[in-house]
Amino acid sequence: QVQLVQSGAEVKKPGASVKLSCKASGYTFTDYYIHWVRQAPGQGLEWMGIINPSGGSTTSAQKFQGRVTMTRDTSTSTVYMELSSLRSDDMAVYYCARAPDPIVTMRYDYFEPWGQGTLVTVSS
Amino acid sequence: DIVLTQSPDSLPVSLGEKTTINCKSSQSVLYSSNSNNYLAWYQQKPGQPPKLLIYWASTRASGVPDRFSGSGSGTDFTLTINSLQAEDVAVYYCQQYYSTPPTFGPGTKVRVK
Repeated sequence: QVQLVQSGAEVKKPGASVKLSCKASGYTFTDYYIHWVRQAPGQGLEWMGIINPSGGSTTSAQKFQGRVTMTRDTSTSTVYMELSSLRSDDMAVYYCARAPDPIVTMRYDYFEPWGQGTLVTVSS
Repeated sequence: DIVLTQSPDSLPVSLGEKTTINCKSSQSVLYSSNSNNYLAWYQQKPGQPPKLLIYWASTRASGVPDRFSGSGSGTDFTLTINSLQAEDVAVYYCQQYYSTPPTFGPGTKVRVK
């Protein structure tokens, strides 16, 4: 079955960077966009960006431009999201989520399935 | 960015009752060329990622029970849960994918009365 498995929880100091992974299985990795969405404790959902695993092109939300880097490794079917210059308000659960339709069709930015999430704690 | 608002914030419901959650968009998410509303609904239980329930405003995702239904068009949408079950206790989010960035509503918490 289609599955996204994310890396484990991270604890970082303010100003540091964190690099999270999301390993895909159960489908052809390069056929579907992957998104990153975060959720601060007790808060709602915030879209961060999208990566095309086939060519590696990315788009990030304006809020994160200059701080977020999304990459992929096609040999391991894994996407990565690195967030730099961490602040206390970056403390959140970070999810990867797959687009529902193949890249060769139209791009529709709703999400299914989702990874289990990675908690990033930012604390001095 | 398109702003989504949801009402109510919280909703106490008796088991077996019908539940309605509203989502309002700051601009239309109806794409005139294909007559599709670019709106989805998700269910999130504590400690779990969101789960897609509805897309295109009214299409149930695979495996979603038929007690869940979506309706509406343009800027006003509704998620209805017929005959609430104990396992439906969760936070429900609407999300638009009409324009980038995709944005979510603040969520509605459904709890048992």
